[in-house]
Amino acid sequence: AQTVTQSQPEMSVQEAETVTLSCTYDTSENNYYLFWYKQPPSRQMILVIRQEAYKQQNATENRFSVNFQKAAKSFSLKISDSQLGDTAMYFCAFMIPYNYGQNFVFGPGTRLSVLP
Amino acid sequence: GAVVSQHPSWVICKSGTSVKIECRSLDFQATTMFWYRQFPKQSLMLMATSNEGSKATYEQGVEKDKFLINHASLTLSTLTVTSAHPEDSSFYICSARDPKAPYEQYFGPGTRLTVT
Repeated sequence: AQTVTQSQPEMSVQEAETVTLSCTYDTSENNYYLFWYKQPPSRQMILVIRQEAYKQQNATENRFSVNFQKAAKSFSLKISDSQLGDTAMYFCAFMIPYNYGQNFVFGPGTRLSVLP
Repeated sequence: GAVVSQHPSWVICKSGTSVKIECRSLDFQATTMFWYRQFPKQSLMLMATSNEGSKATYEQGVEKDKFLINHASLTLSTLTVTSAHPEDSSFYICSARDPKAPYEQYFGPGTRLTVT
């Protein structure tokens, strides 16, 4: 069974600074996808970034980037130039594609507060 | 982008009554939909996987007779909480998969259920 661990229940960062959220996972699969989702106070789940395990290059989306270490089974999210709107719960998730019987596995989440 | 709606966004019902929550994919056909439950300050917990035209697959510990799921069409799945009790109060989120993008999962905005 796949598991996802986020060891930081809460974090805070000053506006405009950089913060890194940690995520580790456990799987015996070789082909999978990793995601970071943001859940603001509205509780709508918003996709932040996606990484395909077979791609060595780290995914980047504007101020968001990941450090994907496949051998270490680590998938951290770096937020640069933090903004007040980044305040939210952040969930790391794992998914095996083309297997409709298996869903995403979510980590417990990290609550990020961006301070003015 | 792919949009998933949920209705209602919030509902209050009395203990012992049933309540139905609808999940619709608005601009794509979803062969698979998922239902999650989220308690305050916790992660998403998968309740069941719903495939169009077939019976839902429930996760271990989820009462299939209490949480009835129907996926009658490619754009609609419903979750009915039967004989609701206060402990069923929670935030329910649905998501849907587009077969054309199997690595994606599109989330609805969620439904807050309060049982009094």
